Amino acid sequence: LAKTTQPISMDSYEGQEVNITCSHNNIATNDYITWYQQFPSQGPRFIIQGYKTKVTNEVASLFIPADRKSSTLSLPRVSLSDTAVYYCLVGDPAAGNKLTFGGGTRVLVKP
Amino acid sequence: GAVVSQHPSRVICKSGTSVKIECRSLDFQATTMFWYRQFPKQSLMLMATSNEGSKATYEQGVEKDKFLINHASLTLSTLTVTSAHPEDSSFYICSARERAPGSYNEQFFGPGTRLTVL
Repeated sequence: LAKTTQPISMDSYEGQEVNITCSHNNIATNDYITWYQQFPSQGPRFIIQGYKTKVTNEVASLFIPADRKSSTLSLPRVSLSDTAVYYCLVGDPAAGNKLTFGGGTRVLVKP
Repeated sequence: GAVVSQHPSRVICKSGTSVKIECRSLDFQATTMFWYRQFPKQSLMLMATSNEGSKATYEQGVEKDKFLINHASLTLSTLTVTSAHPEDSSFYICSARERAPGSYNEQFFGPGTRLTVL
């Protein structure tokens, strides 16, 4: 499984856009990029997944450059409730679905 | 989205006793369930992969005789921490994958179980 590298923490303010970049230099051809959100004492929650270019849903956007060696999760206009740990994972959906969590990025949204 | 529940949400036990944690997929069938452990301020660590009707596959360094996993049905997997010790105190999280997944790598996570061993 491709290893991922993310910033340990980020601070932001309400209403701002938060961008978290994840490096995955060894990503394989069949790997997808998936982001999860975790609040304290809760299980992770799926945010978004993509393979290339740009993916957008109701909560976030995921930008993936052509070489796929990195990806950026974009959270528009964050609120205090977006304070959480965000994990970037890469893996092949057809290869057993085993997820390896890296360190994650602890995002703190301030008023 | 699909819902995964865990029971109990919190358990406190004495050292040397065994504790069973249940993981249920409430509205879908899960051929595969995963068990994770998370220590404070740390990331999730995969312990084992549980497949319905077969033996679990444990990650390196995880004692299979210590952490007994049973996946008896398509909606239930159990993790039993045997002869628990204080160092087993942790947050245990399960996840489940639907029986017929599409191209998605999505797993649905339970809310976690906080185990405290005195």
